[in-house]
Amino acid sequence: GAGVSQSPRYKVTKRGQDVALRCDPISGHVSLYWYRQALGQGPEFLTYFNYEAQQDKSGLPNDRFSAERPEGSISTLTIQRTEQRDSAMYRCASGSIQGLNTEAFFGQGTRLTVV
Amino acid sequence: GEDVEQSLFLSVREGDSSVINCTYTDSSSTYLYWYKQEPGAGLQLLTYIFSNMDMKQDQRLTVLLNKKDKHLSLRIADTQTGDSAIYFCAERNSGNTPLVFGKGTRLSVIA
Repeated sequence: GAGVSQSPRYKVTKRGQDVALRCDPISGHVSLYWYRQALGQGPEFLTYFNYEAQQDKSGLPNDRFSAERPEGSISTLTIQRTEQRDSAMYRCASGSIQGLNTEAFFGQGTRLTVV
Repeated sequence: GEDVEQSLFLSVREGDSSVINCTYTDSSSTYLYWYKQEPGAGLQLLTYIFSNMDMKQDQRLTVLLNKKDKHLSLRIADTQTGDSAIYFCAERNSGNTPLVFGKGTRLSVIA
């Protein structure tokens, strides 16, 4: 596609529900990153993939958070048993070249509100 | 761990130059970036610089890097009201490792 696409743009969910956030990277991009951005803060790293392999998940805050990218393209970030503190903007980025400097292009983000 | 610091607010008059500053702690930072975030929009990459450079210019934007002091700045010449946004400094230490962001500097341009 023309850019990184995230869906839904907005998600309101009740505490305790599971949510799945989707990221469709730029076609052909090898690397895919998930970030979380709280109000008034910079994006904080959650996890990233090269192709379908999860390279680093050290930023996932706890085991309620998981991510997958089974075919090396679209990725899903899943939050189980959501809590109010999970409310934030979740941002996805993709990059084109593995091993060299790569520009990371960001999607519009999914704003998650847990009520 | 890695840390990136920015001042939170900057206010300038239209037509003046803006200078947004950033410091980072990771001495192995190889690539440094400036992103712009407008309300309701995603993060837009403005420019980036390799650590073996000390300056990069792109139209109204000038990036200065002092690697010894781990200090990065973004100068916007002839600042316009459309430049009002939050500007994030970010660094990474190799190819496609994750970016580490600062908290962002909110630039307000007064007409």
